[in-house]
Amino acid sequence: GQSLEQPSEVTAVEGAIVQINCTYQTSGFYGLSWYQQHDGGAPTFLSYNALDGLEETGRFSSFLSRSDSYGYLLLQELQMKDSASYFCAYPSGGYQKVTFGTGTKLQVIP
Amino acid sequence: GAGVSQTPSNKVTEKGKYVELRCDPISGHTALYWYRQSLGQGPEFLIYFQGTGAADDSGLPNDRFFAVRPEGSVSTLKIQRTERGDSAVYLCASSRGTSGYNEQFFGPGTRLTVL
Repeated sequence: GQSLEQPSEVTAVEGAIVQINCTYQTSGFYGLSWYQQHDGGAPTFLSYNALDGLEETGRFSSFLSRSDSYGYLLLQELQMKDSASYFCAYPSGGYQKVTFGTGTKLQVIP
Repeated sequence: GAGVSQTPSNKVTEKGKYVELRCDPISGHTALYWYRQSLGQGPEFLIYFQGTGAADDSGLPNDRFFAVRPEGSVSTLKIQRTERGDSAVYLCASSRGTSGYNEQFFGPGTRLTVL
């Protein structure tokens, strides 16, 4: 079957670095995306990894290892506004259907 | 420019009633997705449109759910004989490309409550 697993909750201190992991199982894999969702808000796109390695976008970086069926989102210089849920996701079914992970709720504390 | 809009923002209905949820995508986006999100869960794929046609409707839970996009822009998700288990936030997203790895732009969602 197809699934993505993430830790349910993570707490980190303002200014620190936090890593949110995602492991997946799928028969066809085309890459891994990450989305951020604040409480009551809509998901917003953060990044997409098509190939193995690290992609950096400002304070956020995303990593993918296809051989390990694993990826992570790295958030640096944490700010209070980073408190949100973070979802990994991948396209499947011929690139079109998108499956989202269970989500990780990040709480940034002072 | 304008983002994805969804109406109504909230819908309360009684068990057994029919509801329609509307999505207005970003102009020019050919791909449109519907998702359902329950509290504490990730968005659950329902259906994907490329233009006017439903390219993948494998996520629709049963035949009470139906969606249309007659002119390749606005889409309507229709739920017949609603059940309490249908209560959730229904999200719509659109994207420029034809692939699921393209960035998706989400609307604010419609919170459906079935009493």
